[in-house]
Amino acid sequence: GENVEQHPSTLSVQEGDSAVIKCTYSDSASNYFPWYKQELGKRPQLIIDIRSNVGEKKDQRIAVTLNKTAKHFSLHITETQPEDSAVYFCAASMSNYQLIWGAGTKLIIKP
Amino acid sequence: KAGVTQTPRYLIKTRGQQVTLSCSPISGHRSVSWYQQTPGQGLQFLFEYFSETQRNKGNFPGRFSGRQFSNSRSEMNVSTLELGDSALYLCASSQQGAEETQYFGPGTRLLVL
Repeated sequence: GENVEQHPSTLSVQEGDSAVIKCTYSDSASNYFPWYKQELGKRPQLIIDIRSNVGEKKDQRIAVTLNKTAKHFSLHITETQPEDSAVYFCAASMSNYQLIWGAGTKLIIKP
Repeated sequence: KAGVTQTPRYLIKTRGQQVTLSCSPISGHRSVSWYQQTPGQGLQFLFEYFSETQRNKGNFPGRFSGRQFSNSRSEMNVSTLELGDSALYLCASSQQGAEETQYFGPGTRLLVL
């Protein structure tokens, strides 16, 4: 079946450095690629999303890039801060209205 | 607008029992999805309902079932509970489905003893 692979599963970076999380999807019909952040003990929340007609999108320190040919998209966080510590999930939409989720990346920001 | 609500927030059951969890979506949202999340695990998709119809289903046994009412509120039921069913059950709502923001509820934490 269709799937989304997410790497790495854990990422530890020094405060102030950048973090990059990568996802690869299999359904060529996928048009929508959101990223969700789940802080410890809280519900997942959308932080940024991108649609297939756009190659890059930025929102302050967060950016997402999409390469439709290679079927991969990435989350970039610059100038990381302690509050960026969380689990990040990527997802891709399918033609049957379902979202397929990556397994998640635990981001640790070291002081 | 009020956010997504789930009841109950916590539940303790014993093996073999059954349980029903409830999810009230944001007003106007017609799509409700259910997920199981265990410690250190991702979001395991259970099923999605849209306008009272199950539109998608994940790879869970038939013990897991759900339904959606005309007001878009949704319930999920787990029969013959097993220890491995202990998890956080999250629901998420959106207006139409996958290609838009999913708003998650706070979850129901189920412990099976």
